[in-house]
Amino acid sequence: GQQVMQIPQYQHVQEGEDFTTYCNSSTTLSNIQWYKQRPGGHPVFLIQLVKSGEVKKQKRLTFQFGEAKKNSSLHITATQTTDVGTYFCAVNFGNEKLTFGTGTRLTIIP
Amino acid sequence: KAGVTQTPRYLIKTRGQQVTLSCSPISGHRSVSWYQQTPGQGLQFLFEYFSETQRNKGNFPGRFSGRQFSNSRSEMNVSTLELGDSALYLCASSFDRENIQYFGAGTRLSVL
Repeated sequence: GQQVMQIPQYQHVQEGEDFTTYCNSSTTLSNIQWYKQRPGGHPVFLIQLVKSGEVKKQKRLTFQFGEAKKNSSLHITATQTTDVGTYFCAVNFGNEKLTFGTGTRLTIIP
Repeated sequence: KAGVTQTPRYLIKTRGQQVTLSCSPISGHRSVSWYQQTPGQGLQFLFEYFSETQRNKGNFPGRFSGRQFSNSRSEMNVSTLELGDSALYLCASSFDRENIQYFGAGTRLSVL
């Protein structure tokens, strides 16, 4: 079936370092969404990408959608302790349910 | 605007029992999806309801069922509970399935 791979599964970074998580699909995507789940919390929507090659920024977060609409990345510049959590991508393959990636758990070392 | 409300927040059951979880979506949202979250399996899709009809179903056994009422509130039921059903059950609402998912705080179910 259609699946989405998200890497890495875990990432430990020193505070102030950058962080990137990747979401990859073997199938062209209609769109992709990114969510953040803080420890003990629930997933919260961050952004949606729709167009090929789209790049969107939210303060220190940069989201990219690949030209072929098969992959996406979330990059955080100069991480802070508030960035701790698990980042999920969620993809739409067409007329199907939203499929979540396995998530990348980000830990910040102060 | 009130967010997605899930009740109860915590639940402890024993094997063989059944459980019903409730979800009240954001006003105006007609799509309600349910997810199971465990440390090892991430977010697993259970099913999605839209206007009282189940539109999509994940790969879960028939012990997991749900329904949606005319006011869009949804319930999910798990019968004959197993130890492996211990998880955080999340409900999410949206205008439609491709739109932004707004999650509730979840119900943490422990099966002993």
